[in-house]
Amino acid sequence: GAVVSQHPSRVICKSGTSVKIECRSLDFQATTMFWYRQFPKQSLMLMATSNEGSKATYEQGVEKDKFLINHASLTLSTLTVTSAHPEDSSFYICSASPADQETQYFGPGTRLLVL
Amino acid sequence: DQQVKQNSPSLSVQEGRISILNCDYTNSMFDYFLWYKKYPAEGPTFLISISSIKDKNEDGRFTVFLNKSAKHLSLHIVPSQPGDSAVYFCAAIGSYGKLTFGQGTILTVHP
Repeated sequence: GAVVSQHPSRVICKSGTSVKIECRSLDFQATTMFWYRQFPKQSLMLMATSNEGSKATYEQGVEKDKFLINHASLTLSTLTVTSAHPEDSSFYICSASPADQETQYFGPGTRLLVL
Repeated sequence: DQQVKQNSPSLSVQEGRISILNCDYTNSMFDYFLWYKKYPAEGPTFLISISSIKDKNEDGRFTVFLNKSAKHLSLHIVPSQPGDSAVYFCAAIGSYGKLTFGQGTILTVHP
């Protein structure tokens, strides 16, 4: 299957700082990537759709100024959590689909802890 | 409004037996369904998928069945192995390729 990577895998930061998470498709190009968030013992919640070369599409209730998404190339999307607060602590996961497939492949996730 | 539902939060099965995980959906516009396996603090791993034009897809020990009239799909794992113990999510693809996930079912396979 296709491989998606994320970096960093884990990050601890102080409240008020910004954190950038990278999502890369390693062996395919992706015009669209997706960002999810998972709280403990809950399902994955779609936050936004990242579109290469254009603005991201955010789900209802997700603050676009809080969670900045940049899809700079066909293999890289970044999610920046701006002015992070403890309630932003969560598990963030990205996914992408190869152009000829409907199946989405997920990155390994990034655990964010805001102190 | 939960469009994809996994009503069993957990399932316990003996090694070697069949595991059957169920999933129901409400949105008739969904046309592609997937099952993922997930461990804590890891991203979901794709297992198997099925298009709405089919009613069965098989891959090794994993078989997915789709009943469109009942808006129901199931994942069969046979024989079950202890390494299959994980959280299983069903997901459906709707508009713009967005995935909608069920709540997940914790599968425990006992040796």
